[in-house]
Amino acid sequence: SSELTQDPAVSVALGQTVRITCQGDSLRSYYASWYQQKPGQAPVLVIYGKNNRPSGIPDRFSGSSSGNTASLTITGAQAEDEADYYCNSRDSSGNHLNVVFGGGTKLTVL
Amino acid sequence: EVQLLESGGGLVQPGGSLRLSCAASGFTFSSYAMSWVRQAPGKGLEWVSAISGSGGSTYYADSVKGRFTISRDNSKNTLYLQMNSLRAEDTAVYYCAKWDITTSGDAFDIWGQGTMVTVSS
Repeated sequence: SSELTQDPAVSVALGQTVRITCQGDSLRSYYASWYQQKPGQAPVLVIYGKNNRPSGIPDRFSGSSSGNTASLTITGAQAEDEADYYCNSRDSSGNHLNVVFGGGTKLTVL
Repeated sequence: EVQLLESGGGLVQPGGSLRLSCAASGFTFSSYAMSWVRQAPGKGLEWVSAISGSGGSTYYADSVKGRFTISRDNSKNTLYLQMNSLRAEDTAVYYCAKWDITTSGDAFDIWGQGTMVTVSS
């Protein structure tokens, strides 16, 4: 089955811009969605589709994609953005539906 | 308010069974696919299973195929996960999630708070 690969940890200075990436063959066929998870809480959708933000998600969060790589960009990172971030997509391998998550990226805001 | 509320988690011995429930409110339940996603302690998210809005189509991760059964009762706005032949590696927080599938991309847009399942003797 397909996999999505994320860097385990990324750090960013307060107010600076950070990009979190996700690589996988399924991303050539399907958009990634991105989730933010803070300790002890359920995941929250932050980006889906080409670059769509659910209601209530700040516009400093944006998404992009090229080839087999999807990216989540936070422009002007805030202290409250410190969290784990997961990418997700359908799995294009085989002829049955599968869904995959990346291993997650721990974002530290310095 | 759109809400998902899971229940049914607990401690079960290896080889045992458990049924999780997820009560939905605030949206037209039967119009949306639903899914279960789990997270082992200190680990990442793992998709477990999904079901279409009508309940006519079901999908499973290889790790649970043949042991878990997803179902839904649209008259009760409730999603279920029947888990049999449980193993230690099934220990996790189980989340139910609304799966919004659109031409703009699909995503798990609403999540419950999760219910803990511990498989141990």
